[in-house]
Amino acid sequence: AQTVTQSQPEMSVQEAETVTLSCTYDTSESDYYLFWYKQPPSRQMILVIRQEAYKQQNATENRFSVNFQKAAKSFSLKISDSQLGDAAMYFCAHNFNKFYFGSGTKLNVKP
Amino acid sequence: DVKVTQSSRYLVKRTGEKVFLECVQDMDHENMFWYRQDPGLGLRLIYFSYDVKMKEKGDIPEGYSVSREKKERFSLILESASTNQTSMYLCASTPGTGRNSPLHFGNGTRLTVT
Repeated sequence: AQTVTQSQPEMSVQEAETVTLSCTYDTSESDYYLFWYKQPPSRQMILVIRQEAYKQQNATENRFSVNFQKAAKSFSLKISDSQLGDAAMYFCAHNFNKFYFGSGTKLNVKP
Repeated sequence: DVKVTQSSRYLVKRTGEKVFLECVQDMDHENMFWYRQDPGLGLRLIYFSYDVKMKEKGDIPEGYSVSREKKERFSLILESASTNQTSMYLCASTPGTGRNSPLHFGNGTRLTVT
């Protein structure tokens, strides 16, 4: 079964600091993609970053980067220089033939 | 940019009513999806469609049906609404079968069944 686990229901970070959101997944497949989505209070789900399982190099998008550990089935999201606008729900997702989502982590950013 | 539009942002319906949630995408995407979002449960797939007039059950299809008569429109139908269907409903689309294609989401419909 394909499952995605986000073990941190809620986290807080000080503005300008760095925070890491955890995600683990379970799959028997070897070729798949992993995604992080952000859902701000406006409810619009926004793609933050994606990673192909075959690529060793960790994906980076500006202040957002991932730590992808394929053997450990871990896909954490690091947000550097946190900004107030980063406050949102963050969902990790795994896609083989269907998307599977974690339960989400609510990120609070303190000024 | 892809735009996925859900017709209602908030809906309040009574138990037993037939409810239609509408979703339209403007980028000629092949695949469309309906998810339900509940606190602590993440997003769960209700139904999806890879082509016009085609539909597949997701993980929680009970109590729901869908319709896809045109490529750009995917409707979710609650045949007889119940209070346990109070939730946030998200529509999404992707262009093809490539696993790297991200989901493009609408703004969600928050449905309350009383």
